[in-house]
Amino acid sequence: KAGVTQTPRYLIKTRGQQVTLSCSPISGHRSVSWYQQTPGQGLQFLFEYFSETQRNKGNFPGRFSGRQFSNSRSEMNVSTLELGDSALYLCASSLGQGRPYYNSPLHFGNGTRLTVT
Amino acid sequence: DQQVKQNSPSLSVQEGRISILNCDYTNSMFDYFLWYKKYPAEGPTFLISISSIKDKNEDGRFTVFLNKSAKHLSLHIVPSQPGDSAVYFCAASSNSNSGYALNFGKGTSLLVTP
Repeated sequence: KAGVTQTPRYLIKTRGQQVTLSCSPISGHRSVSWYQQTPGQGLQFLFEYFSETQRNKGNFPGRFSGRQFSNSRSEMNVSTLELGDSALYLCASSLGQGRPYYNSPLHFGNGTRLTVT
Repeated sequence: DQQVKQNSPSLSVQEGRISILNCDYTNSMFDYFLWYKKYPAEGPTFLISISSIKDKNEDGRFTVFLNKSAKHLSLHIVPSQPGDSAVYFCAASSNSNSGYALNFGKGTSLLVTP
């Protein structure tokens, strides 16, 4: 079974630009979550989608948005990029039903490294 | 507000000895806990989990202990191997749809020296 696939792996953008990151979950997984990892801050939850609906949202500004398509693939968009948005963005998938992660842990992709200059 | 805390940013252990990684949480609604391991340039990989109805779960060299009254859990690795050198994240979830938003600690970087 293929794992979670994220594209692109690396991205360099300029302040003020916008960016779209893509994620393909494990086949059969209907929940897709996004996390931001920065040095010293660990993994911070951005949002989670289940069956094309945003089910959970973290404490990030509205510049961060996402969506999920009918095939469970997901995209994340960051508009008006700031230097502080430089981070590793991780996508993860799970079955998304029943007790959270009890029978199916969260599976992560290898991330997209975003650098804002 | 950080609801899951890993107070030791780093830990160095000799090969063959025990590694103990600690994690504290503040939210009493958390009832399921997971540990992830992360190598540089890779995504985190699931290691082991524990439900709040248990106080211990073992999987090979890895054992997680949960002390609900202290809101504390720990991951024991015995014996430690150089390949265990990685960043370890503790995560917590609650039994509701909001539980799908995993709360992670900031991680502990483990170095196992030969």
